[in-house]
Amino acid sequence: SAVISQKPSRDICQRGTSLTIQCQVDSQVTMMFWYRQQPGQSLTLIATANQGSEATYESGFVIDKFPISRPNLTFSTLTVSNMSPEDSSIYLCSVERNYGYTFGSGTRLTVV
Amino acid sequence: AQKVTQAQTEISVVEKEDVTLDCVYETRDTTYYLFWYKQPPSGELVFLIRRNSFDEQNEISGRYSWNFQKSTSSFNFTITASQVVDSAVYFCALSEASGGSNYKLTFGKGTLLTVNP
Repeated sequence: SAVISQKPSRDICQRGTSLTIQCQVDSQVTMMFWYRQQPGQSLTLIATANQGSEATYESGFVIDKFPISRPNLTFSTLTVSNMSPEDSSIYLCSVERNYGYTFGSGTRLTVV
Repeated sequence: AQKVTQAQTEISVVEKEDVTLDCVYETRDTTYYLFWYKQPPSGELVFLIRRNSFDEQNEISGRYSWNFQKSTSSFNFTITASQVVDSAVYFCALSEASGGSNYKLTFGKGTLLTVNP
C-alpha cells in the first residue's frame, strides 16, 4: 500500500487566516481524497483531486473555501481559507489503489 | 446512494470480554467493497480489513473476526478477549466499484469502544 506523508500534523490558527495542508505520496496515484473529521464525528469527504483537472467537491463544500491543488501524481494540497472556529477539525488525505485506501496521519487544526 | 449505519455509538466492556460492532450498509451496486478502520486517540486511521461483495467468507485474524452477510447487508466485527489497547473508535466504510461515486469511501458514524481493565 502507498505511504502518505501529511503535514503539518497540527496547527493553531487565528480566525480569518488560511492554512495549507500538504500530502506527499511515495508512488503515483490517480485519485487523492480530502476528508474532514469534526470533533467527535465521522469522516466526511470534502473533494476528490485528480491530476490535471479541477477537483470535484462534495455537497456543502466549495472551492473558494477549500481550494485544492494537484500538480502531479504524488502531491496535493488543501487550503482551508478564511478560517473560523467551526473549521476546527482533523483533515486527512487519502489515496486509492486497487480499492485499497491509505490515509495520511491527519492534520489537527484548531482555530481560535 | 451509498450509506453506512453503525447503530452503536458507544460500547463499554471489561477486559477479556468479547464484543461485536455492528455495521449495516446500503448500496445499489452489485460490486462494492467494505472496510473496517480503527482510530485510536492519536487520530490516525488504521486499516483493519477490506472485503469485496463477492466474497462472503468470514475472516479471522488473531482476536479479530468479521461476519459478512449480504442477505442482511451487514458486515459485523467481533473482537474476542478484548484488551485495553483495543479502546478506539471503529469505523465501517463502503466503496462502490462502479466508478459512479468516484470510488469514494462512505463512512459510518463510528463506534467508540472502551475496554476497561
